[in-house]
Order: sequence, then structure tokens, then C-alpha cells
Amino acid sequence: AQSVTQLGSHVSVSEGALVLLRCNYSSSVPPYLFWYVQYPNQGLQLLLKYTSAATLVKGINGFEAEFKKSETSFHLTKPSAHMSDAAEYFCAVSYPNRDDKIIFGKGTRLHILP
Amino acid sequence: EAGVVQSPRYKIIEKKQPVAFWCNPISGHNTLYWYRQNLGQGPELLIRYENEEAVDDSQLPKDRFSAERLKGVDSTLKIQPAELGDSAVYLCASSTQGRGYTFGSGTRLTVV
Repeated sequence: AQSVTQLGSHVSVSEGALVLLRCNYSSSVPPYLFWYVQYPNQGLQLLLKYTSAATLVKGINGFEAEFKKSETSFHLTKPSAHMSDAAEYFCAVSYPNRDDKIIFGKGTRLHILP
Repeated sequence: EAGVVQSPRYKIIEKKQPVAFWCNPISGHNTLYWYRQNLGQGPELLIRYENEEAVDDSQLPKDRFSAERLKGVDSTLKIQPAELGDSAVYLCASSTQGRGYTFGSGTRLTVV
């Protein structure tokens, strides 16, 4: 079964430090990949998506992610963390030309230390 | 354009009572989804509509949950009767081919 795994349910980084949130997918066919952010009591907001074009995808708020087929990974990074980045981040996968539904990982809560 | 609108934002009910959630998708989005997000988890799909047709309801607990999208626009998700384990955030999303999902703010249900 296709799935997505996020390593680390909680990640803490200092303000100004590199943010790295890990995501791996399991699939025999190339998926579409997404990162969503959820602030407290809010819905999910799309940060970025990979749809088989450039493997390095730039998103909003300075985030980017790189699709690495050999590693089946789609890790999210940001060079310098800001206090406002504290939120829950979800990696997700979908399969075009199939049922198109999005399957979410369990999420990683990002904490920013002053 | 207006986003996906959900109401109510919060709902507290006693167990065994009915509850309903409403979703108005983005205009022109033919696909509508209902997801449930339990505390500390990622969203899980309950049902997906293509226009007014439910094309994937395999994860919908049909003994107590029902949904409708009569005119292929807005949708209602109902639980009757609610159980304690139904406490969660219920998210609605809509999409149209090639443009990705847009989520609403969700309805936080607390069953006491």
C-alpha cells in the first residue's frame, strides 16, 4: 500500500537555524508530493508541491523541498527558522491518473526556540 | 476568490446526539473531499465527491455517518448518533484538475 512516513513527530530548532523536516514515501510509481502547514485551530495551507517537473521545489515562506527518487524522499527545508514557523507540518502524496486522493503523513510539530 | 467555507467552526454535543457540518467549496471545483483529523494525526479521507456523485466512500463509517452533495456544489456531513470517539476536526477540501487541493478551516467537534 502506498504511504508516507514523516520521521519525528516533534522537531525543535533555534531561531535562525536550519529547518529540516523529513518525509519518505513508499510507492512503485512516481507520485505527486506535497507539504502542508497547519497553524493552531486552522485548516491546512499548501506550502509547496512536486508534480514531476523540477525536482527542487520552492514554496511559500522561504521553504523548499527536493524530490529524490533514489531515496524516495521529499524533505522540507528552510535555511533560517523564524518564530512564526512554529506549526504542524504534513507531508502528503497523491497518485494522478488513479483516484487522486491525498494520503497524509502523521505530521511533524515544529518548535522554534528563541 | 473566496476559499472553502466550513461551518460551524466549533461544535460541542453530548454523545448520542446528531450533528451536521456544512461545506461550501471554491466555485468551479467539481471535486469535494471530507477528511477527519484526530488529535495528533494527519487527516484521513472520509468521502470524495465528483460533482454530486460519491466516488470514494470506503472509509466512511456508514452506520452513523452520512454525506450529501445534492447539486454538486455545497455538501453536508452528518453523524447520528455521535460517539465520544468522533471528537476530531472535520476538514473539507475542494479541487479541480491540475490546481491542487484547497482546505477549509475545519469544524472542531467535541463529543462529551
